[in-house]
Amino acid sequence: EIVMTQSPATLSVSPGKRATLSCRASQSVSNNLAWYQQKPGQAPRLLIYGASTRATGIPARFSGSGSGTEFTLTISSLQSEDFGIYYCQHYNDWPTTFGQGTKVEI
Amino acid sequence: EVQLVETGGGLIQPGGSLRLSCAASGFNVSSNYMTWVRQTPGKGLEWVSVIYSGGSSYHADSVKGRFAMSRDNSKNTLYLHMNSLRAEDTGVYYCARGVLTALFYMDVWGKGTTVTVSS
Repeated sequence: EIVMTQSPATLSVSPGKRATLSCRASQSVSNNLAWYQQKPGQAPRLLIYGASTRATGIPARFSGSGSGTEFTLTISSLQSEDFGIYYCQHYNDWPTTFGQGTKVEI
Repeated sequence: EVQLVETGGGLIQPGGSLRLSCAASGFNVSSNYMTWVRQTPGKGLEWVSVIYSGGSSYHADSVKGRFAMSRDNSKNTLYLHMNSLRAEDTGVYYCARGVLTALFYMDVWGKGTTVTVSS
C-alpha cells in the first residue's frame, strides 16, 4: 500500500498571502494525484486531479504541481473561505489512499 | 443538478449489520464508477468499496468479506451492505462518483451518513 504523507499538519496563513501544502508518496504515483478541500461538517470537494488540472468551478488561485513522489498544492492569495483541511489522494494503484490532511487556518 | 444523498446510518452493536443507501440524481449510477469512502477517527479518509459500470465490485482489505456493494438501476440508487460490524468501522460514510483514470478519483460526493458501532 502506498503511504501518502502531508506536511505541515497545520498551516496558519494571513489573507492575501500564499499557502504551500506538500504531499509525498512512499513510491511513485506518476501524476495520478488529486487534492480535496474539506470544511467542518461537509464532504470533501475535488480541487485538483492529474496533479495539476483544476476541477470544474475551482478558482485559478488554486494550483497543483509535481509528479512521481513529490506534489504541491499552492493557494496563491488566500481568501477567508479557503480555511479547512486539504487532503491528497493517489489513484495510481490498488488501493487508492489518502494523506492525513493539512489544516489551513486563516 | 448532480447530487448524491446517503441514508441508513445509525447506532449498531458490534457484530451487527446495516445497509446504507445512496440516491443519485442528475446522472446514472449504472454508467459510472461509484464508490464508498469513509472517514474514521482512527484512519481519516479511507476508500472502502467501488462498483464498476459493468457491475464488478472491489473492496478494501479492511472490509473484504464483510461489506458488499450493489445498485438498483431502476431507482438510481447504490447500496453498501455492512455485516459483522466492528468498533473500528465507526465513522462517516460518503458515497462518491468515481472518475476512471488509472484507478479513480472522486468528483461528486454526498454529504455522508454516520455509522456508530458500539454496545
